[in-house]
Amino acid sequence: QQQVKQSPQSLIVQKGGISIINCAYENTAFDYFPWYQQFPGKGPALLIAIRPDVSEKKEGRFTISFNKSAKQFSLHIMDSQPGDSATYFCAARYNFNKFYFGSGTKLNVKP
Amino acid sequence: DTEVTQTPKHLVMGMTNKKSLKCEQHMGHRAMYWYKQKAKKPPELMFVYSYEKLSINESVPSRFSPECPNSSLLNLHLHALQPEDSALYLCASSQDSVGGYGYTFGSGTRLTVV
Repeated sequence: QQQVKQSPQSLIVQKGGISIINCAYENTAFDYFPWYQQFPGKGPALLIAIRPDVSEKKEGRFTISFNKSAKQFSLHIMDSQPGDSATYFCAARYNFNKFYFGSGTKLNVKP
Repeated sequence: DTEVTQTPKHLVMGMTNKKSLKCEQHMGHRAMYWYKQKAKKPPELMFVYSYEKLSINESVPSRFSPECPNSSLLNLHLHALQPEDSALYLCASSQDSVGGYGYTFGSGTRLTVV
């Protein structure tokens, strides 16, 4: 059973456009929701994260929107750049030290 | 120092070999993790160490043996692996098992079992 469902599997966006990646979960005990960015051959890097008592968090071009009642959260990348091309994973934390990852979204930003 | 350092970066081993992966961090993080990642898949948790004690073992086969010699070091000992164990092995750390939020991941060890 997949704890965190992520969509789409892949995404192509033009440079300057908005990239949107969605995640959904069922377990209301999750208490922290990070997004990771992974380039080929590298480990995932923490991009931005949110706690469930906040509906939105923005850091530069990256925004997380969180809908607690719907148990959904999403990553928005504004003004997408070719350098943003990577695989993005959402995750949810359970019991302080156990993270469940979504299946990943491969983003390709076309010049 | 805000990095998790993993060595070696690449490893090729035969099914009868014994090898070890090493992970090091100097951020004062008290929780350390081993993850396995297959191509185009998310990382899968293998082990969690909290304050140098094994706190989670996700039913990993005994041919993988973790070790945490001190708060900065984490090893993964490998023995009699199978070709299907070929993957990217990621180490991560976080501040502590209660207050820690996100992980800091290393770049991983690309393991090929032949």
